[in-house]
Amino acid sequence: EVQLVESGGGTVQPGGSLRLSCAASGFSFNTYYMSWVRQAPGKGPEWVAKINQDGGVKGYLDSVKGRFTISRDNAKNSLYLQMDNLRVEDTAIYYCSRDYGGFWGQGTLVSVSS
Amino acid sequence: QAVVTQEPSLTVSPGGTVTLTCGSSTGAVTSGHWPYWFQQRPGQAPRTLIYDTTNKHPWTPARFSGSLLGDKAALTLSGAQPEDEADYYCLLNYGMAHVFGAGTKVTVL
Repeated sequence: EVQLVESGGGTVQPGGSLRLSCAASGFSFNTYYMSWVRQAPGKGPEWVAKINQDGGVKGYLDSVKGRFTISRDNAKNSLYLQMDNLRVEDTAIYYCSRDYGGFWGQGTLVSVSS
Repeated sequence: QAVVTQEPSLTVSPGGTVTLTCGSSTGAVTSGHWPYWFQQRPGQAPRTLIYDTTNKHPWTPARFSGSLLGDKAALTLSGAQPEDEADYYCLLNYGMAHVFGAGTKVTVL
């Protein structure tokens, strides 16, 4: 059974940083592209970032380029999202996602507020 | 980045059939966009109904089906049930970027 468990969310002031983690199990993690998706309160979901199997190719939503960094550790079956210079508009539930099949975790809440 | 278009809202009668579509600002939607469809009921997280155009998960009710219809991806609901009232989002893959549509609110009435 595919399982994705996010952690690392919390409340931070504008300009602050957070690092999200996602522990994956139930599938061969190192053979899949992985993504982060977010959903702000009352809005639809929004794709944030994507990484290929070995971590060598990455893609980002324009509004997070230069502020967010996606990475992975295949030895630990883990996906990460380093979020720097956070803005109020980054407030959302962040979901870890396995690209093929559309498997999502339960999400972790990031709140950016002064 | 590309813009993905969906109908803002659709209404279907109980037991009826409705088709939601998903278009791309870059041109025709193809299987290469790996179209996904998600259902989100009020207060719940989105769940994947369809992936890679037509594939279903074990939890996907048989009354939902995915396809390509003309130059768009489509989600057809045949035999609508009250519990199908929800927001539906499509997602298209543009290589190293994905884009969600703004969603279609389906009312069963």
